[in-house]
This record gives sequence, structure tokens and C-alpha cells, in this order.
Amino acid sequence: EPEVTQTPSHQVTQMGQEVILRCVPISNHLYFYWYRQILGQKVEFLVSFYNNEISEKSEIFDDQFSVERPDGSNFTLKIRSTKLEDSAMYFCASIFVRTSGVRSGDTQYFGPGTRLTVL
Amino acid sequence: ELKVEQNPLFLSMQEGKNYTIYCNYSTTSDRLYWYRQDPGKSLESLFVLLSNGAVKQEGRLMASLDTKARLSTLHITAAVHDLSATYFCAVASGSRLTFGEGTQLTVNP
Repeated sequence: EPEVTQTPSHQVTQMGQEVILRCVPISNHLYFYWYRQILGQKVEFLVSFYNNEISEKSEIFDDQFSVERPDGSNFTLKIRSTKLEDSAMYFCASIFVRTSGVRSGDTQYFGPGTRLTVL
Repeated sequence: ELKVEQNPLFLSMQEGKNYTIYCNYSTTSDRLYWYRQDPGKSLESLFVLLSNGAVKQEGRLMASLDTKARLSTLHITAAVHDLSATYFCAVASGSRLTFGEGTQLTVNP
């Protein structure tokens, strides 16, 4: 069964360093997402991406964050200068979408996550 | 701003018992999802509910949706230990999902 994959599974970095989290969405999916989950808390939406541009972003997704689809398969989240409070599990998700828009009933499939630890 | 509230947040139950988890949301939506998360793992999709009165069942879990009351329920029947996990409801608004805080379910023998 197709699945969303993410690398690395765990990333440890020093405060102020840049990190890039990578995702390979399901191959026929066209709508991509990043969510984060601080330990013990709920899952929070960061950004959605469609047709090579951001379609929606949350207040968490400030200038320190950026997303990119550098080729036909990868989808990346970059944090330019990490802070302690960026420590969380970051989930990538993807969804199949028809040309008419998000079809009701389509499920967002989540990857296994990258645990980011900022020291 | 869409708000999603789940209760209870923690649920400890014995095997064989029944219980219901509630999910309330604040604004109209056309999609509601239930996900399961095991510790340290990703989110597994359980149900997608699209219309008022929708009911879906899979094994010992049954989910329902009342769009007028903006309420979804996840009912557990005759719980078994394997159901121990955190359960999230998530409500769609445009392209994003807004999650509830999660219900941490522990099923004791």
C-alpha cells in the first residue's frame, strides 16, 4: 500500500541552526501538508501546498519556515534558525485531489514523522 | 476561528466495557475525521464522516456525526487492550485540519 515517507526519523540540532525535513508524499497525491505536534499536545496545522505554491498557512508558519517541492517527489520543510520551542514531531501529509478541488471524503495520509530536538 | 474540543481527555476503562468519546466543533464543516495515534507513532485514519447522520463502523469502533449539533461521537464497544491509544478528531476547514486535543484511552485487563 502506498505511504508517505519522511526523513530523518530523528533530527537533533543546536539552537540557531537550519534544518530541512524531507517528505515523499504518495505518488498520485497533489496536495501536501506539514503539521507539528509538541510532545503530549495536539496536532497543529502549519502549511498546505498545492500546484507549487502555498495555499494556506497558520500563524505558526512565520518567516523562519519555508516549504519547497524541489523535484517531482520530495516535499521539504525548512526552518532557518531553530529555536528551543521548535522541538516537536513534524508530520507530513498528502491527499489526492481532483482538478475541481478537494473532494469530500479524501483522507489526509500522514507520514511517520520526524522528531526534531533543538538543544 | 474553528475550535475543536474533545472529552474526556483521559479515559481508563476495563476490557469488555463500552464508552463514548465526544468531539464538539465551533463552525460548520463538511468533513470530520477520526484518527488513532499509538505512542511515538504517526496518525492512522479511522473514519471520515461527511454528512449529517453519517455513521461508520469498523470492528469495535463506531463513529457518528450530527452536523446540526456540531458533534461527533466515537463509541467503543466491548473494549479490548489493543484499543489503547490516543484518539483524535479533526475537522476540515478549507484545506486544513483542526485537531482536538485527543483522548488518551487505556484499556485495562
